[in-house]
Amino acid sequence: DQQVKQNSPSLSVQEGRISILNCDYTNSMFDYFLWYKKYPAEGPTFLISISSIKDKNEDGRFTVFLNKSAKHLSLHIVPSQPGDSAVYFCAASGWGSARQLTFGSGTQLTVLP
Amino acid sequence: DGGITQSPKYLFRKEGQNVTLSCEQNLNHDAMYWYRQDPGQGLRLIYYSQIVNDFQKGDIAEGYSVSREKKESFPLTVTSAQKNPTAFYLCASSPLQGALGTGELFFGEGSRLTVL
Repeated sequence: DQQVKQNSPSLSVQEGRISILNCDYTNSMFDYFLWYKKYPAEGPTFLISISSIKDKNEDGRFTVFLNKSAKHLSLHIVPSQPGDSAVYFCAASGWGSARQLTFGSGTQLTVLP
Repeated sequence: DGGITQSPKYLFRKEGQNVTLSCEQNLNHDAMYWYRQDPGQGLRLIYYSQIVNDFQKGDIAEGYSVSREKKESFPLTVTSAQKNPTAFYLCASSPLQGALGTGELFFGEGSRLTVL
């Protein structure tokens, strides 16, 4: 049973345009959500996060939106750059799971020059 | 520089052999984790440890073993009982998470194991 789902395995966008990566979750106990970015043959690095008490968090070109009623979050990258090409993992944690992270399956973003 | 070091980066193993992947951290984190990544799949938790000399099974612990004799070190042994050991293995660490924690993990660069 996948508690965190990223239904799009891949996404291609033109350089300078907006990239929107989506993530859905099923566990109501999740109250903190994170996005990680991963390049090939490297470990994931933390990108941005959001607490369930907020519906938006912004950090430079990256914005995460949370819709609790829909159990949906999205990561917006504006403007997209070729260096953003990577796999993006959505992850969630909740006190009920002792703060263990549950990961989605990832979305491969390709930014075309 | 503080961080997590995994070794080796690449490893080849013959079927039937055990192999141990090393993970060392100097972040003074209490908790350490091992994940496995397969193509098209998310990160799946193998084992985790929140304190020295204690560890718990994750979602896919069968065929793996770990030890936590020191706070800094959390080696993973892939045994011959693991049916599909070829994968990318990631070690991570974090401070102990309380109610106000976030779950954020800090990852090493990974070890790619290939079984021939």
